[in-house]
Amino acid sequence: KAGVTQTPRYLIKTRGQQVTLSCSPISGHRSVSWYQQTPGQGLQFLFEYFSETQRNKGNFPGRFSGRQFSNSRSEMNVSTLELGDSALYLCASSLVFGSGNTIYFGEGSWLTVV
Amino acid sequence: GNSVTQMEGPVTLSEEAFLTINCTYTATGYPSLFWYVQYPGEGLQLLLKATKADDKGSNKGFEATYRKETTSFHLEKGSVQVSDSAVYFCALSDSSAQKLVFGQGTRLTINP
Repeated sequence: KAGVTQTPRYLIKTRGQQVTLSCSPISGHRSVSWYQQTPGQGLQFLFEYFSETQRNKGNFPGRFSGRQFSNSRSEMNVSTLELGDSALYLCASSLVFGSGNTIYFGEGSWLTVV
Repeated sequence: GNSVTQMEGPVTLSEEAFLTINCTYTATGYPSLFWYVQYPGEGLQLLLKATKADDKGSNKGFEATYRKETTSFHLEKGSVQVSDSAVYFCALSDSSAQKLVFGQGTRLTINP
């Protein structure tokens, strides 16, 4: 059974550009969430989706957005990139939505902003 | 708000030593608790979890018990191996949401 797949794995962008990251959850999983990992701030929650609806959003500026499609795939977008957006972006999926569910992570997308 | 505090690292041990990584949490209600492990260059892997007080999660020789009275979920392993070298994250999800709140991570290095 394939795990959570994220694309691209590595990318370099210039300040001011925008970026879109993609995530394919484990087959049959309907909940997708995103996290940002940086050396300084650690792992921080961005947003989570279930049945194409955003259920929670973390404390990030409006430049960070996401969506979930009817096939449960998800994308996140960061506009007007800043140097501080350089991070590992992790997507995770779970079968359903709710506290205590086992959440499976992908290997992440490494974003470098120069 | 909810928070997780892990013992500061890095932690360096010799092979076959006993491991404890402390984790305490602050949360309202009855959160679920998790330990994740991250190997170099990879994403997070769930190591174990516990969803109610006094539950013990276990996997690959690692154990952690959900202690509500001390708001703790310490990770233990009786005999570590070089392959256990990684960063370990304690996390919680509260009773009203699924999102995870992570501790700062503890880097573990096991020397042969």
